[in-house]
Amino acid sequence: IAGITQAPTSQILAAGRRMTLRCTQDMRHNAMYWYRQDLGLGLRLIHYSNTAGTTGKGEVPDGYSVSRANTDDFPLTLASAVPSQTSVYFCASSVSAEANQPQHFGDGTRLSIL
Amino acid sequence: QKEVEQDPGPLSVPEGAIVSLNCTYSNSAFQYFMWYRQYSRKGPELLMYTYSSGNKEDGRFTAQVDKSSKYISLFIRDSQPSDSATYLCAMSGQYNFNKFYFGSGTKLNVKP
Repeated sequence: IAGITQAPTSQILAAGRRMTLRCTQDMRHNAMYWYRQDLGLGLRLIHYSNTAGTTGKGEVPDGYSVSRANTDDFPLTLASAVPSQTSVYFCASSVSAEANQPQHFGDGTRLSIL
Repeated sequence: QKEVEQDPGPLSVPEGAIVSLNCTYSNSAFQYFMWYRQYSRKGPELLMYTYSSGNKEDGRFTAQVDKSSKYISLFIRDSQPSDSATYLCAMSGQYNFNKFYFGSGTKLNVKP
């Protein structure tokens, strides 16, 4: 079944550690996104990529980095995790970055930073 | 003021009821409107997509957009326990590349 695969599904991490969340899509979508979802705050955009080789900052980019070496993969890295980064992280993709293209989501990574 | 406002609920209804979920927004430039359904411990799943004003129907679901009032609705007819989930509205404007505005979600519980 075509879609977005995120790994790991959940992780407990000590503060200060480095962590990479993986995201792979098989829909050949050009645009990809990383969100975090927190209770009461909804979905907030961390980083995005319009196409392979390009990335951009979203609403809450500090403490996170991304890369887009190819169309299918869009990993999110926490260089030095802090407790405030405890959240559920969702990767999403769309055919293109244009506003009329709906986004499709993976099932998320639940991350706890202790 | 948030760009998109959505009552968090929870909304609890008996099976078979008609459910009305709503969002208001402030940006008159929004043209594309979406509803997502999110089950517990899952990602948001696109449910309905509409452009500009009007109604769109898909089975038991009807999406309604009133741009003059900056108000969108999702109606669920003959609600089922399997409809129990959190429903998020989302919207974007023609020139808002990469930027979707999401409501914080309304939690719906349909009791058998």
